[in-house]
Amino acid sequence: DAGVIQSPRHEVTEMGQEVTLRCKPISGHDYLFWYRQTMMRGLELLIYFNNNVPIDDSGMPEDRFSAKMPNASFSTLKIQPSEPRDSAVYFCASNNRASNQPQHFGDGTRLSIL
Amino acid sequence: GQNIDQPTEMTATEGAIVQINCTYQTSGFNGLFWYQQHAGEAPTFLSYNVLDGLEEKGRFSSFLSRSKGYSYLLLKELQMKDSASYLCAVRVADSWGKLQFGAGTQVVVTP
Repeated sequence: DAGVIQSPRHEVTEMGQEVTLRCKPISGHDYLFWYRQTMMRGLELLIYFNNNVPIDDSGMPEDRFSAKMPNASFSTLKIQPSEPRDSAVYFCASNNRASNQPQHFGDGTRLSIL
Repeated sequence: GQNIDQPTEMTATEGAIVQINCTYQTSGFNGLFWYQQHAGEAPTFLSYNVLDGLEEKGRFSSFLSRSKGYSYLLLKELQMKDSASYLCAVRVADSWGKLQFGAGTQVVVTP
C-alpha cells in the first residue's frame, strides 16, 4: 500500500518567494495533519483536517501560512511570502477515526529559505 | 497548558537494555504513542497505550500509568540500528485528532 506522499522532497528558494508543499494522504484516511520540525522547537502541529474540513489551525504561525484540502486525496500548505525562519522539515501525516490508530507520516519536505 | 518531558539523550551498549521515560501534564488524556525517528527520516509508529500497564512488541515494550502521568519505552537487546530519536506523544481528550509531541530522546547505541 502506498503511504503518505509528499512533494517536493527538498525545496530551496529565496526569501519573499511563494512556497507550496503538497500531500497525498493514505486512501481511506479521514484525518490529515501538517507538522513542522526544527531542532529548536521539535515537532509542532500546524493544522489538521477531518473530512477535508480544517479543525484546528491554532498552530499556524502567522498569516503568511495557509493550508487547504480541496478533496480527500490532496492537501497543500502554502507560505507567502517565505522568510529564512520558515526553514524546517514539513511533515504531512494521516490516520483514520479508530481511536488506537497511529498517524502515518510522509517522508517530509526539507525547506530552505535563503 | 500541555507539557511533555523526556530526557534529551541516552547512550547504551549494543545488547543492553535502555528505558526512556516520558512524563506528561496535559488537559485530558486519550492515549499515548511512541514513535521512532532516524536522522533525516519520518517518524514511524512503535506503540500505543491507553490503559495502565505494559504493552509488549518484540524487543520493544511500553508502559503507562495514567494516575502518575508517566510512560516508558523499553528497548531490549539493543542493536546499532536502534540509534534514533524516540518521541513520546499524547493525544489530548478535548481534541480527538491532535497529538502533542515531546522533544524526543536521542538514543546512541555504541559497539
